[in-house]
Amino acid sequence: DTEMTQSPDSLAVSLGERATINCKSSQNVLSSANKKNYLAWFQQKPGQPPKLLFYWASTRESGVPDRFSGSGSGTDFTLTISSLQAEDVAVYYCQQYFTTPPTFGQGTRLQIK
Amino acid sequence: EVQLVESGGGSVKPGGSLRLSCAASGFTFTNAWMNWVRQAPGKGLEWIGRIKSESDGVTTDYAAPVKGRFTISRDVSKNTLFLQMNSLKTEDTAVYYCTTGASRMLLELLYWGQGTLVTVSS
Repeated sequence: DTEMTQSPDSLAVSLGERATINCKSSQNVLSSANKKNYLAWFQQKPGQPPKLLFYWASTRESGVPDRFSGSGSGTDFTLTISSLQAEDVAVYYCQQYFTTPPTFGQGTRLQIK
Repeated sequence: EVQLVESGGGSVKPGGSLRLSCAASGFTFTNAWMNWVRQAPGKGLEWIGRIKSESDGVTTDYAAPVKGRFTISRDVSKNTLFLQMNSLKTEDTAVYYCTTGASRMLLELLYWGQGTLVTVSS
């Protein structure tokens, strides 16, 4: 199975500041056929199901604020929030869907400093 | 509007069985790959299996921890996904989510239900 490792496990950032979450896969998730990275990012708030933020590593899902961005390729990926808002407090997960079984990172808890 | 509504959760003793359902609406169910993802209390997300669309042969894939104990099926006449869970273990205690890309996406998990809690305890 492809192992997904996120860093850090938790993060405290001041309102208006940048938050960066990293995700590393144990195997390449870039398809040579279509040049797409099979990597998604999710946001999960307490008591709610996860919400898809990005797919193909950097394609923002409709309705996701543009302060969120996804980047990276191959085995190393980053989720960045350019200016943290109070409503961004959540746990964030990366997920690869290049190989079966799809696998998630352990999650990064983002809080306000 | 896509809706996924899980039901069937509850408390069961180790070794017991439970059948979860996920009622789907707002998209063409026959075309969608449907997944189950679970989340143990206070823990992360774990994909446990999926069933592919009619056109992709309705084949199933499972994660190792549940393979041979859990079975995913679908009833296209009722737009309903099922998860039959047998030989339940305490470590199967979790919220179980039904999730899909619906008609928009094949592999991506765009739409999620609210989840149903399964508790396995003696």
